[in-house]
Amino acid sequence: QQQVKQSPQSLIVQKGGISIINCAYENTAFDYFPWYQQFPGKGPALLIAIRPDVSEKKEGRFTISFNKSAKQFSLHIMDSQPGDSATYFCAASLNTGTASKLTFGTGTRLQVTL
Amino acid sequence: NAGVTQTPKFQVLKTGQSMTLQCAQDMNHNSMYWYRQDPGMGLRLIYYSASEGTTDKGEVPNGYNVSRLNKREFSLRLESAAPSQTSVYFCASSEEWGLDTQYFGPGTRLTVL
Repeated sequence: QQQVKQSPQSLIVQKGGISIINCAYENTAFDYFPWYQQFPGKGPALLIAIRPDVSEKKEGRFTISFNKSAKQFSLHIMDSQPGDSATYFCAASLNTGTASKLTFGTGTRLQVTL
Repeated sequence: NAGVTQTPKFQVLKTGQSMTLQCAQDMNHNSMYWYRQDPGMGLRLIYYSASEGTTDKGEVPNGYNVSRLNKREFSLRLESAAPSQTSVYFCASSEEWGLDTQYFGPGTRLTVL
């Protein structure tokens, strides 16, 4: 059962354009929603994250929009650059009381063309 | 600081062979995790250790065992490897449970023939 659904699977955007990746979750107990960026041959690295009591968070060119009622959140990359070409994973965290367990989406491969 | 390190980087096994994947972190983190990454499936949690001396099953624990050797090290063992365990394995650590960041290692690419 996929608890975090991510779309699209792949995305091609021209340099300077806006990249948008969407995620939807089912479990309302999730309490933290990070986005991870992964370059080929590397491990994922935290890009930006949001708590469910905030509707939007912006860090530089990266913005998370969060809709709690719809159980959806999205990543917007403004002024996309070739260096942004990577795979992006949304995730949702569940605090079990002893550890925070991340459930990941299936990933979006972003290619930014010149 | 090296962060999270994993050994080996690559490994090829035959069906039925056993091996241990090693992970170490130098950030004094309490929690550690093992994930596997397969095409089109994202990362799936195999096992985690909330603190030294504790381990718990994740989403896909079958066929694996773990050991939290000390606060720094968390190993993943395949007792009898199967082709279905061909994957890229990532170790991660976090300072504490809650709204914290998980830091990932570079991964181990495992092929089981």
